Amino acid sequence: SAVISQKPSRDICQRGTSLTIQCQVDSQVTMMFWYRQQPGQSLTLIATANQGSEATYESGFVIDKFPISRPNLTFSTLTVSNMSPEDSSIYLCSVEYQYSTGELFFGEGSRLTVL
Amino acid sequence: GENVEQHPSTLSVQEGDSAVIKCTYSDSASNYFPWYKQELGKRPQLIIDIRSNVGEKKDQRIAVTLNKTAKHFSLHITETQPEDSAVYFCASLGAGSYQLTFGKGTKLSVIP
Repeated sequence: SAVISQKPSRDICQRGTSLTIQCQVDSQVTMMFWYRQQPGQSLTLIATANQGSEATYESGFVIDKFPISRPNLTFSTLTVSNMSPEDSSIYLCSVEYQYSTGELFFGEGSRLTVL
Repeated sequence: GENVEQHPSTLSVQEGDSAVIKCTYSDSASNYFPWYKQELGKRPQLIIDIRSNVGEKKDQRIAVTLNKTAKHFSLHITETQPEDSAVYFCASLGAGSYQLTFGKGTKLSVIP
């Protein structure tokens, strides 16, 4: 099974600050995604992290607010910039392996609380 | 784009009874339908999936059925146990897409 390490697991942040979340995978993956899950809600795709190029953002999410890096096939970061209380949420890294199209594996998530 | 509707939003069953959760999708070309289970405070985990060339798939107490004509698929859990209590999400993968579209989730409570 996939081993996806995500950190921090949780953090409490002050309004206006930025936080970077890291996602490390145990082996090379074809696709890496970042999701947001607000309390009691479903999973909303923020963006697809593309290796060596700019991420592909979904409607409602912009690079200035959620810059993403993916320098290689096993690592990605998501930054939540200039945070406000509305950004309080769980942020999940997910990956898809080449051998199973569509099947997503999720990291443990990073629970952010913005005061 | 693809739209996935999931019902019910909450479901309570007695231990030992069966539970059924239903989802409908809008893109007739969708070809992959996974179900995820998310326990409180944990990550979503894939529990079963089905591809469009199959009508039913079983794994012990859980099964998924797919009706392509009606564009709906269902999760069936038999002989429910308290550890089945969780939020279940259905999802759909559109043809030519690499992104899953998730339903809004069903909170299942199994009462001992």
